Amino acid sequence: EVQLVESGGGLVQPGGSLRLSCAASGFTFSSYEMNWVRQAPGKGLEWVSYISSSGSTIYYADSVKGRFTISRDNAKNSLYLQMNSLRAEDTAVYYCARDPGKPAGGAFDIWGQGTMVTVSS
Amino acid sequence: VIWMTQSPSLLSASTGDRVTISCRMSQGISSYLAWYQQKPGKAPELLIYAASTLQSGVPSRFSGSGSGTDFTLTISCLQSEDFATYYCQQYYSFPRTFGQGTKVEIK
Repeated sequence: EVQLVESGGGLVQPGGSLRLSCAASGFTFSSYEMNWVRQAPGKGLEWVSYISSSGSTIYYADSVKGRFTISRDNAKNSLYLQMNSLRAEDTAVYYCARDPGKPAGGAFDIWGQGTMVTVSS
Repeated sequence: VIWMTQSPSLLSASTGDRVTISCRMSQGISSYLAWYQQKPGKAPELLIYAASTLQSGVPSRFSGSGSGTDFTLTISCLQSEDFATYYCQQYYSFPRTFGQGTKVEIK
């Protein structure tokens, strides 16, 4: 079964750090581009970051640039999001999402169940 | 940044109705548009990509159309399991952006 499972969420104080992980299974992880997408409570979806299959190309939303770092370990079938200098507005469910490649490259065909990050004192 | 205007934000409909959701871009994106369905407490699910191509396993009552700046998601005969929130998403360029969402509720 194709699956993504996030972990690492929790409660953190403003200015703190957190590292999210996303474990992939059921497909050849190293062949796929990956993304993080978040959703604040009661709000819509917001794309956060993208990483190419090799890790050589990375993009961030302006709202997290300079604070968040996306990475991957293809040997461990894992995607990561290092989040530093966290703010209250980073409170959200964080999803990892797979880019299916052509012909749907750029869409997100497989999503994890999400992990909740709460930034509060 | 490509801005997206999705409408309506709330749609009240009955089972069996035909419903249409619109998504308008701030600039042309060819057909690089996807539609998702999200139910409460669940991750979004991909319905349509390339503006009009149905994702595998998605019922044929869902259809998408449009290109350039104006796109539409149509549900031809609303079923009980279709009451959910729908999002459009452009993948023409980074940053990827989503529409604000349309909640389809029971009338």
